[in-house]
Amino acid sequence: ETGVTQSPTHLIKTRGQQVTLRCSSQSGHNTVSWYQQALGQGPQFIFQYYREEENGRGNFPPRFSGLQFPNYSSELNVNALELDDSALYLCASSSDQNQPQHFGDGTRLSIL
Amino acid sequence: QKEVEQNSGPLSVPEGAIASLNCTYSDRVSQSFFWYRQYSGKSPELIMSIYSNGDKEDGRFTAQLNKASQYVSLLIRDSQPSDSATYLCAVISGGGSNYKLTFGKGTLLTVNP
Repeated sequence: ETGVTQSPTHLIKTRGQQVTLRCSSQSGHNTVSWYQQALGQGPQFIFQYYREEENGRGNFPPRFSGLQFPNYSSELNVNALELDDSALYLCASSSDQNQPQHFGDGTRLSIL
Repeated sequence: QKEVEQNSGPLSVPEGAIASLNCTYSDRVSQSFFWYRQYSGKSPELIMSIYSNGDKEDGRFTAQLNKASQYVSLLIRDSQPSDSATYLCAVISGGGSNYKLTFGKGTLLTVNP
């Protein structure tokens, strides 16, 4: 069984740039969620995708957007990057909205 | 009031002792509850899920849920140094397009040999 994989592992960007992070869900999972985790904090829910539709969203501005593809992989796009966007971005997949989520290793994003 | 609250710790217990981790949540209609373990520099790892009132045991871990008190806990018996990590409580509220999964800030547990 293939677990959740994320790419890239690390990324450095400057303020105002745009970034795309990628996630492949665990085999058999059709639901993907994205989280932002700042140092010393718990993960903050950004949004969830189910069958290519956004299916719940946390308190993040519209410059955080996403996509889910027919194979259930997903992208997180962040426009107009700000210094506070520096964080670990986690992707998690599950077999259903209320089932336990399994996390990838994350992408560490640094904004200079 | 924060939606999911945990004691930030650190919680320090000797090897072999019982570690008790607590979590309260504010949304009374929350229906699914999870405990994750996160080692420093790693991603969260699911330990337990619990959906109904009472206790659920899995090896050395017991999750307890009391929906009336809006309280969920995790007990770790015979604590080992390898249990030293941050423990995150997560709560699902809403459903469909209103789905939301909220994590607490986490409790740092240190098990001393």
